[in-house]
Amino acid sequence: DGGITQSPKYLFRKEGQNVTLSCEQNLNHDAMYWYRQDPGQGLRLIYYSQIVNDFQKGDIAEGYSVSREKKESFPLTVTSAQKNPTAFYLCASKRVGVNTGELFFGEGSRLTVL
Amino acid sequence: GENVEQHPSTLSVQEGDSAVIKCTYSDSASNYFPWYKQELGKGPQLIIDIRSNVGEKKDQRIAVTLNKTAKHFSLHITETQPEDSAVYFCAASIFGNQFYFGTGTSLTVIP
Repeated sequence: DGGITQSPKYLFRKEGQNVTLSCEQNLNHDAMYWYRQDPGQGLRLIYYSQIVNDFQKGDIAEGYSVSREKKESFPLTVTSAQKNPTAFYLCASKRVGVNTGELFFGEGSRLTVL
Repeated sequence: GENVEQHPSTLSVQEGDSAVIKCTYSDSASNYFPWYKQELGKGPQLIIDIRSNVGEKKDQRIAVTLNKTAKHFSLHITETQPEDSAVYFCAASIFGNQFYFGTGTSLTVIP
């Protein structure tokens, strides 16, 4: 089935460690996104990419990094510079173009910093 | 940038009653308004969307209304069922590019 796969589903990290969250899609979508979700808050955009080898910062990019070497893959690294990394992270993708609408989401990765 | 506000943050209804969730947006250039349903531990899924050239859209028990002048849009769920219990997010977007999300509404349908 076509969709977005995020891994791992749960991740624990010690303070000071970098971690990388995986996001893979087989929907042939050009655009991919990373959102952070905290309790009682909406989804906040971390980074997005509309084409391979290009990406832009979202509203809360500090302490995060991404790469887009392949169309299908958009990994997110949470660095030790991120002050409060414990959160639920969602990856999404969509077609590029005017009125192309729907964002498709993965099932999320929950990161807990110990 | 765009600012989307969503109310209420929590909503409890009896099974069979209707539920209404309201959102406002600030950027008059926004022209695409999707609604997402998120079940516990899962990613959000699109349940209905509306574009600015339409005032209302309905899909079975779910409907969305849009008032461009007042910059607000609402989700209406009729004949609620326990499986409707979830968190619902509204969003605003310009031509389906960057999305701005509301803070979510936790809906509980009491059997």
